[in-house]
Amino acid sequence: DTEVTQTPKHLVMGMTNKKSLKCEQHMGHRAMYWYKQKAKKPPELMFVYSYEKLSINESVPSRFSPECPNSSLLNLHLHALQPEDSALYLCASSEGGANVLTFGAGSRLTVL
Amino acid sequence: AQSVAQPEDQVNVAEGNPLTVKCTYSVSGNPYLFWYVQYPNRGLQFLLKYITGDNLVKGSYGFEAEFNKSQTSFHLKKPSALVSDSALYFCAVRVFYGNNRLAFGKGNQVVVIP
Repeated sequence: DTEVTQTPKHLVMGMTNKKSLKCEQHMGHRAMYWYKQKAKKPPELMFVYSYEKLSINESVPSRFSPECPNSSLLNLHLHALQPEDSALYLCASSEGGANVLTFGAGSRLTVL
Repeated sequence: AQSVAQPEDQVNVAEGNPLTVKCTYSVSGNPYLFWYVQYPNRGLQFLLKYITGDNLVKGSYGFEAEFNKSQTSFHLKKPSALVSDSALYFCAVRVFYGNNRLAFGKGNQVVVIP
């Protein structure tokens, strides 16, 4: 299995909702990432987990809360988001360091 | 700080013609350089990387890139473009001062005209 699977593919939520994005990989990669991407722009790093521990938080607002339940799963919990948080959220994994990243197809989030 | 620059916003090329997407880098030390491609409504896909060794790197889908230290460039090339190569291309460099971090260029939209 050489894929990163993200669910849901599309999510529409109000500013008072609580939702979660999920990411799964079975490649044995020990580093997992969340990126945010606006249209036609490069992805922006949000969080990095290394060996299931949060190693990088790029000063992301607390309305985004990451979780790594085990080495194959990564979640992003969303609460009280703003319309400007609407974007494509990409999950990625790698063997470690900044080696080759394998990206999922993304979850497209719309905040109303 | 480690960074890459992609000077063009969009590259238009006729199908069958050579395709070049430009990238220049600014790093201290030896660079780890990458190219990724993003098709519409998809995540990024790895094309190729340069770490050490041969300056000409071959990658997926017939793409190659040439590392040029004197010009601090890492241009992506394909001898004969296909319509299906139309996508957004990102150059990236590994950021050494932090683990697990890549710095991406702004991206180039490639349009291959039939």
